[in-house]
Amino acid sequence: DVVMTQSPVSLPVTLGQPASISCRSSQSLVHTDGDYYLSWFHQRPGQSPRRLIYKVSKRDSGVPDRFSGSGAGTDFTLKISRVEAEDVGVYYCMQGTQWPFITFGQGTRLEIE
Amino acid sequence: QVQLLQSGAEVKKPGASVKVSCKASGYTFSSYGISWLRQAPGRGPEWMGWVSAFNGNTKYPPRLQDRVIMTTDTSTSTAYMELTSLRPDDTAVYYCARGWLRSLDYWGQGTLVTVSS
Repeated sequence: DVVMTQSPVSLPVTLGQPASISCRSSQSLVHTDGDYYLSWFHQRPGQSPRRLIYKVSKRDSGVPDRFSGSGAGTDFTLKISRVEAEDVGVYYCMQGTQWPFITFGQGTRLEIE
Repeated sequence: QVQLLQSGAEVKKPGASVKVSCKASGYTFSSYGISWLRQAPGRGPEWMGWVSAFNGNTKYPPRLQDRVIMTTDTSTSTAYMELTSLRPDDTAVYYCARGWLRSLDYWGQGTLVTVSS
């Protein structure tokens, strides 16, 4: 299995300030087609995960442009340019390169300080 | 709009089986696969397997392949996940999700399965 490791585990952020979450994979996520299949999800308490980003940097419809994804190889990052109150919750990265044998990071909890 | 509607909460005794349904709407069901995941309290999602709605092919992780069965019914656009020989540590919220471009773009609302004597 590809192991996904996120950091930090907890991320206190002031409203309006930037935030950054790291996701590292135990092996390169480059697929034989040359693409990287790394997605980011956001989960609020009591809700299902919602996808924000796929293929490293492609934002889903309706996702604010303050969210951006980047990375290659084994290192990937989700950035929020200016945190808003609705951004609280847990963020997960997920590798799909070994689809359908997908794996998730352990999560990063973002809270407003 | 795409929707995945799951069946309601279940309470089961150890050793029993549970079958969760996931009814899809808003898209051509047979054109996408369905992945099943579960999430224990305070944990991240755990992948349980994948089923093709086109031909019924399945893929399971080794740790679950002896206990999980995933099927689809294209006449009702419904996917099913059955887990047998339940244990207390199978207590979790179970999700179905649509697969596309090696990712999961739509998720069901979740089904709480509680295993307790």
